[in-house]
Amino acid sequence: KNEVEQSPQNLTAQEGEFITINCSYSVGISALHWLQQHPGGGIVSLFMLSSGKKKHGRLIATINIQEKHSSLHITASHPRDSAVYICAVRSGDSGTYKYIFGTGTRLKVLA
Amino acid sequence: NAGVTQTPKFQVLKTGQSMTLQCAQDMNHEYMSWYRQDPGMGLRLIHYSVGAGITDQGEVPNGYNVSRSTTEDFPLRLLSAAPSQTSVYFCASGLTLHYRELFFGEGSRLTVL
Repeated sequence: KNEVEQSPQNLTAQEGEFITINCSYSVGISALHWLQQHPGGGIVSLFMLSSGKKKHGRLIATINIQEKHSSLHITASHPRDSAVYICAVRSGDSGTYKYIFGTGTRLKVLA
Repeated sequence: NAGVTQTPKFQVLKTGQSMTLQCAQDMNHEYMSWYRQDPGMGLRLIHYSVGAGITDQGEVPNGYNVSRSTTEDFPLRLLSAAPSQTSVYFCASGLTLHYRELFFGEGSRLTVL
């Protein structure tokens, strides 16, 4: 079993829909990242969370440390949101620098 | 401010050849790392560094060497390429203090024949 599991693996939505991508992890962490990988391959950081909730534009990320679970929400989805979304955890305490990545959720938003 | 720069973007090697993937960042980041991305798998850590002169192994270090002589540069060396090293490689950097975002290079697609 992978230490970082994402669901769903693939997701197709209509423009305007509310989207949720889930990430569960089985290790102790000091931080969790949500990343976006564009069809061209580049990876950009969306959020870094250690607790609670963060919002940036139409994107919202939450984390529940007790349940070892995080969600990424996209409100009013748009075709330009089509990408692979990757959850990554920084395992261990703040003195470690090893990241474990999920396999990603491939999102396609149709116009 | 160029961010994280990786070169080359594409490379084809023959088995047994050597090469170096270059990674440079201009953000004065202490943390630099190399990952490989293979189909159906998450990014896997090869090597990382938390400062000049300090490197450590990640999950899949075999067949790769790194060094960190300056804060800006973190090259990844393949001494004798094997077909199993065909992959897309990403360099990432970040600050080590507190919790900060990661910055990724654009990736290098390597094919070993």
